[in-house]
Amino acid sequence: IQMTQSPSSLSASVGDRVTITCRATQGIGKDLDWYQQKPGKAPKLLIYGASSLQTGVPSRFSGTGSGTNFTLTINNMQPEDFATYYCLQDSSFPWTFGQGTKVDVK
Amino acid sequence: QVQLVESGGGVVQPGGSLRLSCAASGFIFSSYGMHWVRQAPGKGLEWVAIVLFDGMTPHYTDSVKGRFSISRDNSKNILYLQMNSLGPEDTAFYYCAKDYSSTSYIDFWGPGTLVTVSS
Repeated sequence: IQMTQSPSSLSASVGDRVTITCRATQGIGKDLDWYQQKPGKAPKLLIYGASSLQTGVPSRFSGTGSGTNFTLTINNMQPEDFATYYCLQDSSFPWTFGQGTKVDVK
Repeated sequence: QVQLVESGGGVVQPGGSLRLSCAASGFIFSSYGMHWVRQAPGKGLEWVAIVLFDGMTPHYTDSVKGRFSISRDNSKNILYLQMNSLGPEDTAFYYCAKDYSSTSYIDFWGPGTLVTVSS
């Protein structure tokens, strides 16, 4: 299963609403997770099962979708949210990541 | 708290072998699936392999099948990745990661260890 993530990069300002999409080449139900990675650090889980917020993650992060189309939304961007975001399908092996979306400061 | 610490990275010549280790603590290691994920410098994430809680039934991404072997020692709380026939394309940070349960989703990552394949 291949995951196509878009856009590959975007520029945003503090307070903006940001939307990142991920598309699977076949249906994966809700077996889709979102991770945030900052430079030099390991990724951090944000959303699992397409829409469930990981404990401790701010509620400005949300995920929607099922089947082949998924969306990560960040409402009211904060300075600490500038990072690279990845989707991961865990529906069938081999698991596959999207190519990433780098969110930087406009 | 959950801790994962990778070791064993370094520089290896093309065609060589390397074994990575990941020491786990802060959770019941024998109850969870464990993963390896890699990231070439400046590139995206690539899922590499998973081993289930009992050490059986590993799964691999296609590019490492037949060359890499994932295993675990539940008595020592250590995850391994044996890497053989290494090529420049295997140069990457290698992350050890914990599954939420058996094969659900990755909920925690180690800091990573760098493997460089170069002559």
